[in-house]
Amino acid sequence: DARVTQTPRHKVTEMGQEVTMRCQPILGHNTVFWYRQTMMQGLELLAYFRNRAPLDDSGMPKDRFSAEMPDATLATLKIQPSEPRDSAVYFCASGLVQGAFGELFFGEGSRLTVL
Amino acid sequence: DAKTTQPPSMDCAEGRAANLPCNHSTISGNEYVYWYRQIHSQGPQYIIHGLKNNETNEMASLIITEDRKSSTLILPHATLRDTAVYYCIVRPAMGDMRFGAGTRLTVKP
Repeated sequence: DARVTQTPRHKVTEMGQEVTMRCQPILGHNTVFWYRQTMMQGLELLAYFRNRAPLDDSGMPKDRFSAEMPDATLATLKIQPSEPRDSAVYFCASGLVQGAFGELFFGEGSRLTVL
Repeated sequence: DAKTTQPPSMDCAEGRAANLPCNHSTISGNEYVYWYRQIHSQGPQYIIHGLKNNETNEMASLIITEDRKSSTLILPHATLRDTAVYYCIVRPAMGDMRFGAGTRLTVKP
């Protein structure tokens, strides 16, 4: 049963620490999205990649967030330094884009708490 | 700049059809209508999408008006497990996927 895998599922850290979240997209998918969800802002698009190339990262605070795809099986979202306002659930999603776009598959999310 | 407008909440009786409306009056000719739902704190789940024609799958039906300015997601026989936030999204074929506030559907026994 193919699924998007995110690690860690839960992370508690202190302000100023570096946080790295990882995502393993479904094998064969060529598009990966990173989202952040909070009660106040809902689901926000942070960045997305196609064929490992970043297409849009305008939703990310550039000074502290970075997103990469070192290879087709791994996407990373890094926060350095972390702040309490970064506390949220971070979702990764992957999909296969061939002409018209079909279904996005979401991971279970990484819940981040920054103290 | 929201592309879609949905009611913030709706109730539905268990076993009845749930009809969730979505307005997308500024939709462009190459933009699709997608529906996702999010149950509790899980990741969103794809339901259905369409361009012009009505669509049906094992989960739901999507009715798009002829002018494409609005659509309705129909869950034919709602169950308690359909309680979730439902998102209507408009996007071009190769574009990004941005979620609005959605409609919180509560299915009641």
